[in-house]
Amino acid sequence: QITLKESGPTLVKPTQTLTLTCTFSGFSLSTSGVGVAWIRQPPGKALEWLTVIYWNGDKRYSPSLRNRLTVTKGTFEDQVVLTLTNMDPVDTATYFCGHRRESYDFSGVEVWGQGTTVTVSS
Amino acid sequence: DIVMTQTPPSLPVTLGQPASISCRSSQSLVHSNGNTYLSWLQQRPGQPPRLLIYKISNRFSGVPDRFSGSGAGTDFTLQISRVEAEDVGIYYCMQATQSPTFGQGTKLEIK
Repeated sequence: QITLKESGPTLVKPTQTLTLTCTFSGFSLSTSGVGVAWIRQPPGKALEWLTVIYWNGDKRYSPSLRNRLTVTKGTFEDQVVLTLTNMDPVDTATYFCGHRRESYDFSGVEVWGQGTTVTVSS
Repeated sequence: DIVMTQTPPSLPVTLGQPASISCRSSQSLVHSNGNTYLSWLQQRPGQPPRLLIYKISNRFSGVPDRFSGSGAGTDFTLQISRVEAEDVGIYYCMQATQSPTFGQGTKLEIK
């Protein structure tokens, strides 16, 4: 069974850097075609794709946030870390990580974490 | 980026009646390999999104068969044959043919 869980601060101040960790189980980030994606959802708004890191270390970023986002594999094999610099109140959102899979027969996010809510306020 | 446009934004439905949600992409979602990577997600109140349908019409594991997807190219539809109370929530289409993008969502409520 694939599960993912996001963790990190619930409140950050403007201009600070947000660091979130996705801890997952039930799959390996060394398996071909597998990735961990980050998506966010501002309160009452739609989903926004942020970034993904793949089994081979390849990374893709949202063009609008490329200069502020970094995604890395964590210290442990079952973790992925997201950093978002220069936080602003508009970055207030629930941040989800998800099991991304790409193959001939499938491309998308199969399983989502529960999400973690981050508020940006002084 | 591919822009995904969903209609309607809000969908009141009587229990037991069918429901239909449309999703249109700003360009064709046909991948160079011939597949079309269009998914539908369900987000119940207070819950994370859940994958319902992938590659236009394939139900994900555990999804009831009252959910079905159809379409091709740039126009896609999610249908619920008979709406149940547990279907209340927001439905999103998502394309993963290119860098993934989502529709704005359709809120399904019981009339």
